Amino acid sequence: DTGVSQDPRHKITKRGQNVTFRCDPISEHNRLYWYRQTLGQGPEFLTYFQNEAQLEKSRLLSDRFSAERPKGSFSTLEIQRTEQGDSAMYLCASSLGGGSGSPLHFGNGTRLTVT
Amino acid sequence: GDSVTQMEGPVTLSEEAFLTINCTYTATGYPSLFWYVQYPGEGLQLLLKATKADDKGSNKGFEATYRKETTSFHLEKGSVQVSDSAVYFCALSDLGSNDYKLSFGAGTTVTVRA
Repeated sequence: DTGVSQDPRHKITKRGQNVTFRCDPISEHNRLYWYRQTLGQGPEFLTYFQNEAQLEKSRLLSDRFSAERPKGSFSTLEIQRTEQGDSAMYLCASSLGGGSGSPLHFGNGTRLTVT
Repeated sequence: GDSVTQMEGPVTLSEEAFLTINCTYTATGYPSLFWYVQYPGEGLQLLLKATKADDKGSNKGFEATYRKETTSFHLEKGSVQVSDSAVYFCALSDLGSNDYKLSFGAGTTVTVRA
């Protein structure tokens, strides 16, 4: 069990640029989640996949955000035309199914800074 | 909507002191309640959970009891160590067994001095 891996750890970009983050979940986990955390706040739910299907999206996920999990393994989160308000830590988590026996395992996050 | 309010930090304690972090919640249904911990340089980890009223979650010397009457889930540890220095997040899920859509509190930073 190598844990949830996120890449890159840090990303600095200029406003208006597109960025893409990658998440590799724990290999046997079928569920994958994206959260966003701003300074001094707790994480906020963005979206969730079961295998390759994106089952729910928060209203926080504007049209500039898109997430994919094409083969039900790794996932990407793309932000188009970045804005300064997008600066945050983007967290990925995975779990094995649902229910009380399947806690979320979080990665270390990708910190995005939009200048 | 669902929300969690937890004690503001930062909290600074001496080793072997008693730690309490208050957490109260607002939810329309019967939520599951969680405490997550984030150690320096690491990702969030589940510390403990409780899924129904009067349940007590415990792990690593930490405890929290689900109090429906006071809508609270306060975290306690009787004797903290330097290694307990971390950010602690209270969270809830109001989706029954589907506990993926967590609502987190703002986090409480705890520093334990030797």
